[in-house]
Amino acid sequence: GAGVSQSPRYKVAKRGQDVALRCDPISGHVSLFWYQQALGQGPEFLTYFQNEAQLDKSGLPSDRFFAERPEGSVSTLKIQRTQQEDSAVYLCASSLAGGWSTEAFFGQGTRLTVV
Amino acid sequence: ELKVEQNPLFLSMQEGKNYTIYCNYSTTSDRLYWYRQDPGKSLESLFVLLSNGAVKQEGRLMASLDTKARLSTLHITAAVHDLSATYFCAVDMRGSNYKLTFGKGTLLTVNP
Repeated sequence: GAGVSQSPRYKVAKRGQDVALRCDPISGHVSLFWYQQALGQGPEFLTYFQNEAQLDKSGLPSDRFFAERPEGSVSTLKIQRTQQEDSAVYLCASSLAGGWSTEAFFGQGTRLTVV
Repeated sequence: ELKVEQNPLFLSMQEGKNYTIYCNYSTTSDRLYWYRQDPGKSLESLFVLLSNGAVKQEGRLMASLDTKARLSTLHITAAVHDLSATYFCAVDMRGSNYKLTFGKGTLLTVNP
């Protein structure tokens, strides 16, 4: 596609519910990143994939968060037993080569609200 | 731990005026980025600064980098309403070229 696509755009979850957020990177992009942006804050790094390998997951806030990219293309961020503090915009980005580059692009994000 | 501080966090300007946003970071970095975010939208890349003394300009925006002072500035010249947005600087830590640390952002409002 023309850009990084994320779905759903908006998600409301009841506390304790599991959610799955999808990211379709730009075709052919090797690197994929997930960031969490709380209201009024800058994005914070969650995890990084190069192809299907998850090279860094140090930013995942707890073991309730899990990300995968099994075929090196689409990625899913899963949050189990959602809590109110998980409410945020989840941004996905992709980059043509390894690592972050000037050719890295963000998707529009998924706004998660936990009630 | 890399820390990135922006100031001011809120900036209300009149059209036609000039102003500067400052971005300080705490450790040696390879690259500094400036992004723009409109409400409800994603982040749009504005500039990447790669070396000490680097200066880049696009329209009414000019960004510069002083790696010795660990400081970047985003200068706005003759502001117009269309520049109203939140501006973020971000830095990647040397040796970790995939992980950006962002500032909290500067919410810029340009008034007629």
